[in-house]
Amino acid sequence: VMTQSPAILSVSPGETATLSCRASQSVGGNLAWYQQKPGQAPRLLIYSASTRATGVPARFSGSGSGTEFTLTISSLQSEDFAVYYCEQYNNWPPLFTFGPGTTVDLK
Amino acid sequence: QVQLVESGGGVVQPGESLRLSCVGSGFTFSTYSIHWVRQAPGKGPEWVAVVSYDGTRTYYAESLKGRFTISRDNSKNMLFLHMSNLTVEDTALYYCARENLAYYFGSGSSFWGQGTLVTVAS
Repeated sequence: VMTQSPAILSVSPGETATLSCRASQSVGGNLAWYQQKPGQAPRLLIYSASTRATGVPARFSGSGSGTEFTLTISSLQSEDFAVYYCEQYNNWPPLFTFGPGTTVDLK
Repeated sequence: QVQLVESGGGVVQPGESLRLSCVGSGFTFSTYSIHWVRQAPGKGPEWVAVVSYDGTRTYYAESLKGRFTISRDNSKNMLFLHMSNLTVEDTALYYCARENLAYYFGSGSSFWGQGTLVTVAS
């Protein structure tokens, strides 16, 4: 089971947003973060907890291991307002679980 | 460029079956594991299943095991999802999504199709 907090995060452009994801049992570093905007498929931002996917701006960073993970968005820009999901991967059996999401909206 | 295009969605009645397809292009299809992920209206994504790059290993969400079957045909760059005994709770947009890294599970899904809508209603 994955939990994300807060459910809604209201921030102003230029501020830093910190999103949390918690797993009910250790997943090691097997965690990804996605951004989703209305009418679009999710976009991979971070995999293996802290590795930015190709083309993802450096203002997105991921950290954590085990059960506690964080996505940090520095100097938030207007295009960053979206819903963010974490996804855990269980090594055996290979199972994937998405968190419920955090909505980042305009303060 | 990498493209994934799903098809096969539609409106079906409870208890019926449906087969979804996904065709990949712009990459070496046979070297990537590929997932099905669904998203019900207004809800978050839900992982459905994954098939390994060579088709020899398949894994499913526990709640769907037994009703859904994932498969692939690497000679045609095609991925499939056979769904049976559908219920209204299966209503969702179904995406195919490619693993980020070749020969890998768990590197995130870096390419997604546009989705195909499945509606189960009487």
